[in-house]
Order: sequence, then C-alpha cells, then structure tokens
Amino acid sequence: QQPVQSPQAVILREGEDAVINCSSSKALYSVHWYRQKHGEAPIFLMILLKGGEQKGHDKISASFNEKKQQSSLYLTASQLSYSGTYFCGTRETGTASKLTFGTGTRLQVTL
Amino acid sequence: DGGITQSPKYLFRKEGQNVTLSCEQNLNHDAMYWYRQDPGQGLRLIYYSQIVNDFQKGDIAEGYSVSREKKESFPLTVTSAQKNPTAFYLCASGLRHTDTQYFGPGTRLTVL
Repeated sequence: QQPVQSPQAVILREGEDAVINCSSSKALYSVHWYRQKHGEAPIFLMILLKGGEQKGHDKISASFNEKKQQSSLYLTASQLSYSGTYFCGTRETGTASKLTFGTGTRLQVTL
Repeated sequence: DGGITQSPKYLFRKEGQNVTLSCEQNLNHDAMYWYRQDPGQGLRLIYYSQIVNDFQKGDIAEGYSVSREKKESFPLTVTSAQKNPTAFYLCASGLRHTDTQYFGPGTRLTVL
C-alpha cells in the first residue's frame, strides 16, 4: 500500500525550514528519501531503518518513528538547490526487497 | 565511470508497436527495477529482479515484459497490450541486502 506524504506542496523563502511527512498503514522495515528535479532521475538522500533512528547530513535530516510508522524529513535553512519533488519509499517488514513510493511533495524555494 | 545508463532518452512510437527500453549498470548490483512515472505522480513499480534469470511482477506489470539474462542488463518491453504507455520510465539498481536504489536518467516514451 502506498505511503501518504504531506504536505503535497510547499513554497519557502530561502533560509526557511520545512518538514515533510511520510506515513504508512503497514509495519515498515525501512524508509528511503529521494529528491527529484524536473525531468531528471531521483537522487538518493538517506535511508532509515526500523529502530527509531535519526539521520542527517548538512542541513537535511530525517527521523523514523517505528511506533507510528511515520518518517519525517527536515530541511533546515533551505537553499535554492533544495527545490524539487521529495519522495519517500518504504519497505514493509517481512517483504521482498522492493520499495513502494509515495506521491511526492513538491518543494519550491524562492529568493 | 560507474553508473546506470538508459537509452534512448526520448522515444517515439506508433500505437500498436512493441518497444524495448534499455537499462545497463556496471555497479555490480544484484537487484534491478523498472518504474513508471506519470506527470505529477509518484513512482510505480513495474517489474523487479533480484538475481539473474529471475524476476517478479510489481504493481503494474500488465502490458510489460522483462528479461534478466545478464547481471548488468534488465531490458523492458512495452507491448501493444499496454493501454496507456506514454510515460517517463525509470530503471534502478541496488544491492540486495541494503534496499537502497540508484536510478538511471530515464527514458521518456511517447506513443503517437
């Protein structure tokens, strides 16, 4: 079943923060975050495994709440280069190694 | 350079014709995947393969076929049975035990 992402779209001014959420009704083994620029391939950002960990690099970080089956992506002090569509991909516990992607969150950072 | 290549970048076909999209990787990845993306939509899994000579249907396999004769290659055929084939097709590969997938540049297929 497809994870639900929210919000569907967000517009930020450069330097502002944003949070993107990804929720599943299934028990998850892992959550993956990708960013896609228009007409290009999705780029891998990070993976979170069950166990409730938090990860980050530079000003982008993420958390995974195993009890709620929810992951959140945090974008701090956004830059113009952060613009794009963010997708979460989830792998359910006990399933083959394949991901189910959400419908995406479109992020636009303006001056 | 290591990576995933898809060819061609743009493809035009007449309705009723089968067409094969190429996907090659030199990353020594075991697993390969095919996704379809429609405008404003997420990625939907068509087929995936975790080892050579074996593949499984994804969520939207009807009208598509694949083969995995070599570890490096996972071609996708869009058959005439696919009712709405115009879309952006993305191939990905990854190591079986990590789930992380790396995507090729995609092929935009337009059926006229």
